[in-house]
Amino acid sequence: DSGVTQTPKHLITATGQRVTLRCSPRSGDLSVYWYQQSLDQGLQFLIQYYNGEERAKGNILERFSAQQFPDLHSELNLSSLELGDSALYFCASSFRTSGSQETQYFGPGTRLLVL
Amino acid sequence: LAKTTQPISMDSYEGQEVNITCSHNNIATNDYITWYQQFPSQGPRFIIQGYKTKVTNEVASLFIPADRKSSTLSLPRVSLSDTAVYYCLVGGYSSASKIIFGSGTRLSIRP
Repeated sequence: DSGVTQTPKHLITATGQRVTLRCSPRSGDLSVYWYQQSLDQGLQFLIQYYNGEERAKGNILERFSAQQFPDLHSELNLSSLELGDSALYFCASSFRTSGSQETQYFGPGTRLLVL
Repeated sequence: LAKTTQPISMDSYEGQEVNITCSHNNIATNDYITWYQQFPSQGPRFIIQGYKTKVTNEVASLFIPADRKSSTLSLPRVSLSDTAVYYCLVGGYSSASKIIFGSGTRLSIRP
């Protein structure tokens, strides 16, 4: 158990809909990262937040957005969903972010299925 | 932005030592090298991290040559439970950098 929690574990929805995925980082961690992993694909980095502020951006679509709240939990919002958005979405956390590389602790993921 | 290249897959047998090499030709001075392990439908798990020379922990060793353009993850005496995908990650987490895991190496261990 990494200490990172994600809800829900599974989510089934229809095209065009909007969903929110939630992540609670490990106690004391200030950074949260979001990743997308499609079937048999590698991890695609979406976005990182550090202490409430956006820190780094990856291949995140404009239909997707995220935020980190004062209690440090984070939400990833996916809107106008398409079939291709079906994937595992992972959240990770680390203590801080700096010029050196922080070890990331990953949550169990949310499996999204868009029908 | 340091891109990494790893073998797509590797096979080995229980009890053998497995070495997985990652190429990162344009690694930056401040970059560290980190390896993660991922089982199906689970989040990746940190294995080991290094900057140069050799790092060893209770799970694996990481060998990094002087030019740092590659690194080798060494798993001693593998077991069936080591069957997983292994990712090499290079880079810093500054606001200007992206985090690229790559496709990983799918390691299959046979009895």
